[in-house]
Amino acid sequence: EIVLTQSPATLSVSPGERVTLSCRASQSVSSKLAWYQQKPGQAPRLLIYDVSTRATGIPARFSGSGSGTEFTLTISSLQSEDFAVYYCQQYNAWPLTFGGGAKVEIK
Amino acid sequence: QVQLVQSGAEVKKPGASVKVSCKASGYTFTSFDINWVRQAPGQGLEWMGWMNPNSGNTAYAQKFQGRVTMTRSTSITTAYMELSSLRSEDTAVYYCALVPTTVANWFDPWGQGTRVTVSS
Repeated sequence: EIVLTQSPATLSVSPGERVTLSCRASQSVSSKLAWYQQKPGQAPRLLIYDVSTRATGIPARFSGSGSGTEFTLTISSLQSEDFAVYYCQQYNAWPLTFGGGAKVEIK
Repeated sequence: QVQLVQSGAEVKKPGASVKVSCKASGYTFTSFDINWVRQAPGQGLEWMGWMNPNSGNTAYAQKFQGRVTMTRSTSITTAYMELSSLRSEDTAVYYCALVPTTVANWFDPWGQGTRVTVSS
């Protein structure tokens, strides 16, 4: 099973700041990595798939990069609605796995 | 628009079974796979398994093998996930999620979630 490790687990940020979240895989997942955003009491929402392709309706301030085992989700200028938990997910191998999540909270 | 609507919250006793439904609309039901993911209180996301609504083929995470069954009814475009021999650790929100492509396995959209509480 591919283990995804996200860091940091929690990030305290002020609105307008740049945020960088990391996702490290225990073995290569090629370019088969997605990112999701989850707000309290809501289902996850797809942000990015195939490492860097934004899902429909996702603002340009969200971007993804990386390959192999190291991946990054960047929010260029954090908006109030972006405070949430972010998960990475690999779909290169079965079983599909998720990272443990990274919480972005208000500083 | 593509939508997955799940059944309501359930409270079950240990040892019982629960069956959660996921009603799909806005696309051809048999064209894309549906997966199930759960989230225990305050915890992360855990993939449970996958079903092809066209063939009925399934694949389950090893952790749930023998306890989970994923089925569908094509006539009413609904997928089902049944989990048996429930224990307190199965208390979680259960999500269905669509894989909107045949070449990858990312999820979009997700159902709203069904809370399952296992308590004596």
